[in-house]
Amino acid sequence: NAGVTQTPKFQVLKTGQSMTLQCAQDMNHNSMYWYRQDPGMGLRLIYYSASEGTTDKGEVPNGYNVSRLNKREFSLRLESAAPSQTSVYFCASRGQGLRNQPQHFGDGTRLSIL
Amino acid sequence: AQSVTQLDSQVPVFEEAPVELRCNYSSSVSVYLFWYVQYPNQGLQLLLKYLSGSTLVKGINGFEAEFNKSQTSFHLRKPSVHISDTAEYFCAVRALNAGGTSYGKLTFGQGTILTVHP
Repeated sequence: NAGVTQTPKFQVLKTGQSMTLQCAQDMNHNSMYWYRQDPGMGLRLIYYSASEGTTDKGEVPNGYNVSRLNKREFSLRLESAAPSQTSVYFCASRGQGLRNQPQHFGDGTRLSIL
Repeated sequence: AQSVTQLDSQVPVFEEAPVELRCNYSSSVSVYLFWYVQYPNQGLQLLLKYLSGSTLVKGINGFEAEFNKSQTSFHLRKPSVHISDTAEYFCAVRALNAGGTSYGKLTFGQGTILTVHP
């Protein structure tokens, strides 16, 4: 009963390094999302994928890229990490068919950029 | 575009006291409304949701929320809190676009940290 799995759970990077955050869901959901959480700002949408093969920008996409590798997996890449990208990153997924489907969240990746 | 304002960043309360966490939203289209809870070092869990129908919705762990369309509010309440309710709570909205498909994107409020003291 894994749900949404994010790896790694913690990571420390140096400015300028690159990294890919992994997300996988086992609920056969069509839609997947990446958010960042910062104190006092709630969660802000970085990118989302409405279905396999499509990706779109959210509220704060600058400095990030995404790949919807298949229906299960949605990765987030930082090409050149900056201290402003220190945050907690959450992946979420949502099923289709009914409009009232809620999003299901992973446990987060805590990323520090030095 | 939508926006969500949670009016209190922190709410301290004693155990067994009632609590209300306030949420106001702004949107030019119809919305669904959600409350999520985040326990320390965990992801978000859905507490409850309002889609249509009765304006009073009940969720898990004894929480309930009331949708007030005229005041564009969706306040969360619990009549008697427990120590285990200490967490951060997020209000969120999801808009319906003209075609009825919002791709499920959520707009979150800033969060309210509820601290329950013994």
